[in-house]
Amino acid sequence: QITLKESGPTLVKPTQTLTLTCSFSHFSLTTNGMGVGWIRQPPGKALEWLALIYWDEDKRYSPSLRSRLTITKDTSKNQVVLRMTNMDPVDTATFYCARIYSSSSSQYGLDFWGQGTTVTVSS
Amino acid sequence: QSALTQPASVSGSPGQSITISCTGTSSDVGTYNLVSWYQQHPGKAPKLIIYEGSRRPAGVSDRFSGSKSGNTASLTISGLQTEDEADYYCCSYVHNVVFGGGTKLTVL
Repeated sequence: QITLKESGPTLVKPTQTLTLTCSFSHFSLTTNGMGVGWIRQPPGKALEWLALIYWDEDKRYSPSLRSRLTITKDTSKNQVVLRMTNMDPVDTATFYCARIYSSSSSQYGLDFWGQGTTVTVSS
Repeated sequence: QSALTQPASVSGSPGQSITISCTGTSSDVGTYNLVSWYQQHPGKAPKLIIYEGSRRPAGVSDRFSGSKSGNTASLTISGLQTEDEADYYCCSYVHNVVFGGGTKLTVL
């Protein structure tokens, strides 16, 4: 079955760069219509979309965070990496990666999600 | 692209039906059927329950249904069950992705 799993540091200091990895299985980012995105959720707050990368290297970013985000993929490893610079305590959140998929007949949205990884920003 | 607008909370009794609204604009919800809905239980990852406005993924109960009128999408849950108590998020995925602020469903 399709799985995604986030990994990375649980604690980062203010001003540092956060690097998170999403490792996935049973689908490929070389498939037409396939993509992987990152979403975060501060404690007790709503989901916030961060970035997306598609099979064709198309990359999309949240307009409000664009200057701080970089998303890349490694299709040979089935991984997507998110970098977020200049971390601040307000960036403390659970970070999720999710698959986004569009077939010739349907656009499924974010259909499979990882379990999430919690990142705390504190000195 | 602004966040979609959802009520902060809704409630209902077991067996009843409830509807959660999600208001966007003519640039997203109003023009495209690319609205999805997610159910999130405490401490868990979101789960897709509706895509393309009204379609259910395999395995999702037919008690969950989606619709749209103008710039507002809606999620209806019929025959409320205690396990439906959760947070619900709408999402537009037209060019980028934008979420609503979430609605907490309480089953009384």
